[in-house]
Amino acid sequence: GAGVSQSPRYKVAKRGQDVALRCDPISGHVSLFWYQQALGQGPEFLTYFQNEAQLDKSGLPSDRFFAERPEGSVSTLKIQRTQQEDSAVYLCASSLDAYEQYFGPGTRLTVT
Amino acid sequence: AQKVTQAQTEISVVEKEDVTLDCVYETRDTTYYLFWYKQPPSGELVFLIRRNSFDEQNEISGRYSWNFQKSTSSFNFTITASQVVDSAVYFCALSEDNTDKLIFGTGTRLQVFP
Repeated sequence: GAGVSQSPRYKVAKRGQDVALRCDPISGHVSLFWYQQALGQGPEFLTYFQNEAQLDKSGLPSDRFFAERPEGSVSTLKIQRTQQEDSAVYLCASSLDAYEQYFGPGTRLTVT
Repeated sequence: AQKVTQAQTEISVVEKEDVTLDCVYETRDTTYYLFWYKQPPSGELVFLIRRNSFDEQNEISGRYSWNFQKSTSSFNFTITASQVVDSAVYFCALSEDNTDKLIFGTGTRLQVFP
């Protein structure tokens, strides 16, 4: 079956541009997570949805980061006025229960 | 506060050697979960195992085994008879009972040479 997919796989943005990263979770998965992985580091939690409800956004680094999941399926992570420190791989994961999170391939964002 | 420490940044071994990846965690919760994930060069994180804090029984799955010791707050991962395909970055992670979010360590890069 299809896994978690993310698009685009690579994104280059000029500093100050807005970007939108998409995540298609596994069908039927209730929970959806976004993580940010800087080069050489472990993933860091950004935000968490259960269906369409954003239950935890404590990891979002600034108010430039915004995530939504309006119909409880596809999710979009938006970053406004990108900065160089936003350069990272953004990982999406979905889960049917809390046992295992299935990760997508990530979107590598480079801000120049 | 929760924290996961993987002190080994990089390990290199020759094929067929056994290798142990260390993981030390910190949490104030009595109920928590520990995980190991593998991240091959393709970048996608692959789930390997989850253990809860009440189950200290060691687990073996093929060439993989895990040693969970609450007394030392450690959850170490051993690969027996390593293979080149085991080359990847391995992450240990923690989640607490009231949240599903994962707290990851910084990872250990394992290189297995033929």
